Parts: sequence; structure tokens; C-alpha cells
Amino acid sequence: QSVVTQPPSASGTPGQRVTISCSGSSSNIGSNYVYWYQQLPGTAPKLLIYRNNQRPSGVPDRFSGSKSGTSASLAISGLRSEDEADYYCAAWDDSLSGRVFGGGTKLTVL
Amino acid sequence: EVQLVESGGGLVQPGGSLRLSCAASGFTFSSSWMSWVRQAPGKGLEWVATIKQDGSEKYYVDSVKGRFTISRDNAKNSLYLQMNSLRAEDTAVYYCTSSDYWGQGTLVTVSS
Repeated sequence: QSVVTQPPSASGTPGQRVTISCSGSSSNIGSNYVYWYQQLPGTAPKLLIYRNNQRPSGVPDRFSGSKSGTSASLAISGLRSEDEADYYCAAWDDSLSGRVFGGGTKLTVL
Repeated sequence: EVQLVESGGGLVQPGGSLRLSCAASGFTFSSSWMSWVRQAPGKGLEWVATIKQDGSEKYYVDSVKGRFTISRDNAKNSLYLQMNSLRAEDTAVYYCTSSDYWGQGTLVTVSS
């Protein structure tokens, strides 16, 4: 059981906007930055969002992150087939003195 | 171009040891916190260990405390993970990561 919770699956049709949630607590999301990673099938994770809502260079602005209290969200607009992947949120946890990952959300583009 | 290249994975018997290495290039390794993250077959990501830039702080997930040791050599731009007393549940792809960048991973299989 992850201390940070994500829905196991999400789906949308091309062009749609989808949101993936990430729920934690005051010791992790509530007090530290949230990061989002995309893992395409058979590949290593790739950083999508850092420090809650910042995009690394090269990441399309279709991807956006937000945080409120002990929860965070990743939004993907203009959904494309190549967005089909697993998405993970992560944050440092002060109580555990370690990093925690959400269980991951498998995004399917219908 | 940023590169993180892991090596040292393989098949090991329960109770055995392995040392993973990660060669970094293309960014200022000595200024970066570094971590190992693993992914068991068909499962999600699990953080394993993190080390501060100068090696003065190290953090581990409870399940590997006392068995794994993270270290680094900034002169060689390299990160290491010494894994002892390996268990079947340690079987996973191990990724070297600075959080921004990730290697391609190295597979560790613990089985008799």
C-alpha cells in the first residue's frame, strides 16, 4: 500500500482532457514538492513535471501540474495516442525520511 | 547529452551480493542528489535509496536498511549500490536517477 494514492487507471479519447489525481498527507505532498513521471511501455521513467507545476524543456505544454493541500493533479489536454503510458507522482516524505511514489496510473487512449 | 548508464545487474542466489554502478555524464553530477529506484516485474516504482551531493547524508527505504549501501565517487561521476543478503523480493529493474534524469536500468534477479 503506497502512502501516496493514485487511481490505477484512467482513459480518454483523442483530443480530450484527462486529469490524474495524487493524494497524500501533510508529511509528503502537504509539505514538499510533487513530481510527475511518464513511463512508456518498456522504457525508463521520464520527468514530466517538477516542483508541483514546472515543465522541463521539451515537455509539451499539454501537460500541466497543480497542487492543493495534500493533493496534486496532472492534467493532459489534447490527448494523443502517444500519451498512453503509466504515470507516477512522487514526493519526499518527512516522516519516513524517504521518497514516496504513488502506485501509478495506467492511461489508456481509446 | 545527459547519460546515466547502470551496470552490475544479473542473476544471484538468495543471500548473495551484487554491486550496481551508475556512470553519469552530461550534467554536474557532484551538485546533484542521486537515488536508486527499483521496479519489480509488472509493478510500480519504488524508491530504494538517496545520497546527498557530498555523501554526508544517506536515506534508505526500510526494507533494505542494513542490507544495501549507497555511495558515490564524484571524481569518477559514479553512483553505486552495494546489495547484500539479497532476497527474492529484491528482484527488479534498478534505475539510477537524479530525479530529473533516469538511466535505462539494470535487472537484478534473485533466485536459486
